[in-house]
Amino acid sequence: NAGVTQTPKFQVLKTGQSMTLQCAQDMNHNSMYWYRQDPGMGLRLIYYSASEGTTDKGEVPNGYNVSRLNKREFSLRLESAAPSQTSVYFCATTAYSGTGSNYGYTFGSGTRLTVV
Amino acid sequence: AQSVTQLGSHVSVSEGALVLLRCNYSSSVPPYLFWYVQYPNQGLQLLLKYTSAATLVKGINGFEAEFKKSETSFHLTKPSAHMSDAAEYFCAVASSASKIIFGSGTRLSIRP
Repeated sequence: NAGVTQTPKFQVLKTGQSMTLQCAQDMNHNSMYWYRQDPGMGLRLIYYSASEGTTDKGEVPNGYNVSRLNKREFSLRLESAAPSQTSVYFCATTAYSGTGSNYGYTFGSGTRLTVV
Repeated sequence: AQSVTQLGSHVSVSEGALVLLRCNYSSSVPPYLFWYVQYPNQGLQLLLKYTSAATLVKGINGFEAEFKKSETSFHLTKPSAHMSDAAEYFCAVASSASKIIFGSGTRLSIRP
């Protein structure tokens, strides 16, 4: 089925450890996004990639890095995990036309990360 | 900058009652507006979207939303709540062709 696949679904890290969250889409979309979701705060944009080869910071980029490996894949890396990065992470993708319309996002099922 | 405000972090209604979830937006240009639903332990799913074609937008599962420019609102309604509607709902506005800003969410509970 077409969609957005995130791995892993669950992860527990110790403070200071590193890890990479993977995201792949088979929808042939240009844009990909990483959000984190925390209770009462909605979704906050970490990084996004408007097209292959480009990445930009979102609202809360500190402590994260990203790589747009190709059109399909967009990974999020935590170099030195901190308890404040305990959250649910969502990858999303969208297609949008050159005239500026936005079709809305398709989301992955999320990665639940706990940093102890 | 564009933003959305969802009024009420938690709404509880009886099964069969009207569902009304409130969303107000701020935008200096004609916005694209969305409602998403998130069921427990799942990702977000698009319910409906407003892209200026019609002010009353119908979505999945019997939900609809009306765009009111004069009130800068995009409230979500459903005439008769079902137990399966229990979830968290997010209003969102597109700030450009490539980014969407989300509200803080409203958790909908349904009483038997």
